[in-house]
Amino acid sequence: SSELTQDPAVSVALGQTVRITCQGDSLRGYYASWYQQKPGQAPVLVIYDKTNRPSGIPDRFSGSSSGNTASLTITGAQAEDEADYYCNSRDSSGNHLVFGGGTKLTVL
Amino acid sequence: QVQLVESGGGVVQPGRSLRLSCAASEFTFSSYDMHWVRQAPGKGLEWVAVIWSDGSNKYYADSVKGRFTISRDNSKNTLYLQMNSLRAEDTAVYSCARRSGRLDAFDIWGQGTMVTVSS
Repeated sequence: SSELTQDPAVSVALGQTVRITCQGDSLRGYYASWYQQKPGQAPVLVIYDKTNRPSGIPDRFSGSSSGNTASLTITGAQAEDEADYYCNSRDSSGNHLVFGGGTKLTVL
Repeated sequence: QVQLVESGGGVVQPGRSLRLSCAASEFTFSSYDMHWVRQAPGKGLEWVAVIWSDGSNKYYADSVKGRFTISRDNSKNTLYLQMNSLRAEDTAVYSCARRSGRLDAFDIWGQGTMVTVSS
């Protein structure tokens, strides 16, 4: 399968921890990357190689993976973390890429 | 600074064609695989196509295969997307993105150009 499945919406109280998940068969063989997108802005890479953060991304963002599920965790969510989050990986051929449907994160 | 700037979007009738461009600056364009990604209004990201750094291989999403052609001119640091037989469902913001081989992720994105397919 070349699909990646995400929950459409998740909410978290300010300062609490939230996990956003991404499921797909291809994740058993390929790493996921995660992108944050705020309204009217280009996506920003927040996690790559399932667990690594680019420079400039706060350490409250972390990634993990197990089996066919990749996860993005925000520990101590801030108001500025409110955004859409997308996972991305390769399909089984390795040549095509696929995005999850996106998760809208609301910080209460 | 490292930048991608798209151009060429606009309003086009169904069945017509449009060519998008993506100008790269401040990095060695010829060293990177380049992608097009689109986002329909109010919808999620959709991968469209990739072209390898040397142009030797190209791959397309099933939704555009046979209608869209990705190309590049490394001497001009420019990526292209030729879109033919456009449909209403192709209406979206089209963005180019750099794929880092080291990270295996999109590390640089353009701001996108809007394509509206409507009669």
